[in-house]
Amino acid sequence: DSGVTQTPKHLITATGQRVTLRCSPRSGDLSVYWYQQSLDQGLQFLIQYYNGEERAKGNILERFSAQQFPDLHSELNLSSLELGDSALYFCASRQGSNTGELFFGEGSRLTVL
Amino acid sequence: AQSVTQLDSHVSVSEGTPVLLRCNYSSSYSPSLFWYVQHPNKGLQLLLKYTSAATLVKGINGFEAEFKKSETSFHLTKPSAHMSDAAEYFCVVSDPWNTGNQFYFGTGTSLTVIP
Repeated sequence: DSGVTQTPKHLITATGQRVTLRCSPRSGDLSVYWYQQSLDQGLQFLIQYYNGEERAKGNILERFSAQQFPDLHSELNLSSLELGDSALYFCASRQGSNTGELFFGEGSRLTVL
Repeated sequence: AQSVTQLDSHVSVSEGTPVLLRCNYSSSYSPSLFWYVQHPNKGLQLLLKYTSAATLVKGINGFEAEFKKSETSFHLTKPSAHMSDAAEYFCVVSDPWNTGNQFYFGTGTSLTVIP
């Protein structure tokens, strides 16, 4: 158990809909990272937050947004969903902003029909 | 810029035989390197990490990796494969000074263990 909790584990929805994925980092970790894993694209970095502030942005679509709350949990919002958004979405946390290893949650599997 | 190349997309070994998963990296300075394992429908779990201390790094479940700067390699090995080692393995290089993405993941190596 990594200590990183993600909900929901599975989500099935329709095109055009909006979903929210939630992540609780390990106790004491200030940084949260979001990744998308799909068969054709591999593991893609989406966005990083550190202590409530956006720190780095990767290949995140404009239809996607995220935030980190004062209690350090984070949410990834995916809107106007398309079939190609079907993937496994991982949250990872680490203690600092730019040191240490990542600890991953078990992921949220999103299926868009 | 940092990058990671995992030289084999698939590796098959028989149970009880050695495992070698190859990783080459590109980095403009001394990097931090990691190996993660992902079992089906699970998150990524840290196997081991190199952060400029000993070049031979021991990890969990009997895995180890050797950092070779001259060869820019960080290959993962295990003396004797177990059925439970069947999984996807990712080599990762970290760039702490990058204001954007800080972790560069290889494309993964799928390890099959034959009974």
